[in-house]
Amino acid sequence: ELKVEQNPLFLSMQEGKNYTIYCNYSTTSDRLYWYRQDPGKSLESLFVLLSNGAVKQEGRLMASLDTKARLSTLHITAAVHDLSATYFCAVETQGGSEKLVFGKGTKLTVNP
Amino acid sequence: DVKVTQSSRYLVKRTGEKVFLECVQDMDHENMFWYRQDPGLGLRLIYFSYDVKMKEKGDIPEGYSVSREKKERFSLILESASTNQTSMYLCASSKGDSGEQYFGPGTRLTVT
Repeated sequence: ELKVEQNPLFLSMQEGKNYTIYCNYSTTSDRLYWYRQDPGKSLESLFVLLSNGAVKQEGRLMASLDTKARLSTLHITAAVHDLSATYFCAVETQGGSEKLVFGKGTKLTVNP
Repeated sequence: DVKVTQSSRYLVKRTGEKVFLECVQDMDHENMFWYRQDPGLGLRLIYFSYDVKMKEKGDIPEGYSVSREKKERFSLILESASTNQTSMYLCASSKGDSGEQYFGPGTRLTVT
């Protein structure tokens, strides 16, 4: 059974600092997704990582995937308040089912 | 842009009532999903569907059923609502060969 673990679950950081959120998963998968959720809102797709070594960047966020280590990272560079949100990673189950298993989410708060 | 809409943003129902949550997507996606989201538990898959009239149980199907009579519409049914079904319900859709899911705005259901 695929399990997805994110850490940390809560992250409070100052503006201008860098930090990394980690997403580990338990069984083989080549596809991983990162989503953002603002309070009271739905999930918005951030990154789609479809192969080992994939790296995607958008603004101050960069996501990478290491399928051998079963690990994805979401790196935040020079954080700003607008990045405050909850970030979820989701791993696609094998066998072409297109089902996703979500981590519990990392609630990020960026303080001035 | 993919658009996934849900029939209500907020809903209050009484224990024992039959509840219908409707989800419509406008991008001709084959796959549709229903999740519930609870604090500390993340997103949990209730049911999903790969095609019209097809449905598969997710991780927590008890107390729920679904209906997919048309490709664009996926309904979640609470046969007899209970207080432990108070939650945020999220609908999502994806193309047949893609795991990337697009989410609706969510329905916050309160059962009293």
